[in-house]
Amino acid sequence: QVQLQESGPGLVKPSQTLSLTCTVSGVSISSGGYFWSWIRQHPGKGLEWIGCIYYSGNTYYNPSLRSRVTISVDTSKSQLSLKLSSVTAADTAVYYCARGERGYDVFDIWGQGTMVTVSS
Amino acid sequence: DIQMTQSPSSLSASVGDRVTITCRASQSIASYLNWYQHKPGKAPKLLIYAASSLQSGAPSRFSGSGSGTDFTLTISSLQPEDFATYYCQQSFSTPRTFGQGTKVEIK
Repeated sequence: QVQLQESGPGLVKPSQTLSLTCTVSGVSISSGGYFWSWIRQHPGKGLEWIGCIYYSGNTYYNPSLRSRVTISVDTSKSQLSLKLSSVTAADTAVYYCARGERGYDVFDIWGQGTMVTVSS
Repeated sequence: DIQMTQSPSSLSASVGDRVTITCRASQSIASYLNWYQHKPGKAPKLLIYAASSLQSGAPSRFSGSGSGTDFTLTISSLQPEDFATYYCQQSFSTPRTFGQGTKVEIK
């Protein structure tokens, strides 16, 4: 059974870097059939795609966040990570990691999400 | 970016009702359209991919149709566990974008 679990600080100060980890179980994170994404949901709003990483190491980011985002994978720990620098209150959101299935380019498995609040 | 617009934003329906949600893309996305169900505090679930293909494990009362710019998600007979928010998402181009969601509530 494939499971994704996000973890990280629930509170980050403005101007600091938000760092989250997604632990993947039940599937190899280095499988070529999948890619790995971060998606967020601002309070009371819809879903926003942050970016993704493929097994090749290629990354793709939302242009609106590209200058501040880094997504990486640690295959030895089976973990996906997200770093978002210079955060503001506008980055307060629930952050989800998701597995992408390459054949139909669809997010087929999601984590439950972790709430991150940006506040001093 | 491709804008995805869902309608309605919310609806009230009764158990057993047929429910239809529409999603419109700002440009043609062929059949690169997916539907997700999201309940508060839970992981979103994939229901429909490639506009009309039912995800394994999703109930058969869910169906999708459409191509180009106009798409529909239909629930043939609403069940208590279907009360949730539904999102469409395009996988035609980067950045991937979602609709604003349609909240299905109990009448």
